Amino acid sequence: QSVLTQPPSVSGAPGQRVTISCTGSRANIGAGYDVHWYQRLPGAAPRLLIKNNNDRPSGVPDRFSGSKSGTSASLAITGLQAEDEADYYCQSYDSGLSGWDVVFGGGTKLTVL
Amino acid sequence: QVQLQESGPGLVKPSQTLSLTCTVSGGSISGGTFYWSWIRQPAGKGLEWIGRIYPKGITNYNPSLRGRVTISIDTSENQFSLKVNSVTAADTAVYYCARELSTSFDSWGHGTLVTVSS
Repeated sequence: QSVLTQPPSVSGAPGQRVTISCTGSRANIGAGYDVHWYQRLPGAAPRLLIKNNNDRPSGVPDRFSGSKSGTSASLAITGLQAEDEADYYCQSYDSGLSGWDVVFGGGTKLTVL
Repeated sequence: QVQLQESGPGLVKPSQTLSLTCTVSGGSISGGTFYWSWIRQPAGKGLEWIGRIYPKGITNYNPSLRGRVTISIDTSENQFSLKVNSVTAADTAVYYCARELSTSFDSWGHGTLVTVSS
């Protein structure tokens, strides 16, 4: 059971907009920790997609955007393309025993119809 | 561009110790404000953070694994390592090493599959 909750799957047709939610608690997202998003293409390592809630690293298309509010965060993908079919993970920190624990969501599989 | 590469046995027997090494190239492991982490993903499951090490050797571990895990660093070889003791089938996973900058992981290794089986 992951600390951050994501829907197991989402889908959309090419050109459409999809969103993926990431729900946490007052111990992690709600405590003010930043949320980051990763894309894992089949057979590849995860790639940092969105950092610090809504910042795109160099090379990430502006079709990807992130937001955060309260104890939740969201990843939005507009103009869906076949190459976006992948697993997406959110990540934050948790004020657990050490106060520096990394927590991930369980992942969301995006299917492009 | 920094690159990370995991190495180690792909098969470990139950109750034994899993040992992996991550070699960092394209940058110094002791330079900058980076931390170095291990993350794993069992088949069909999500990502699980195992722990991190700072260049000066301070470590943080996932509470669920604390007591079985040791992460160490060798700055002279530009490597950091993972040991997991008393492994069971539940430790079978793809293991990734990653660089942590601020609070996100900006560089990852390709991952290595470790299977625990007799």
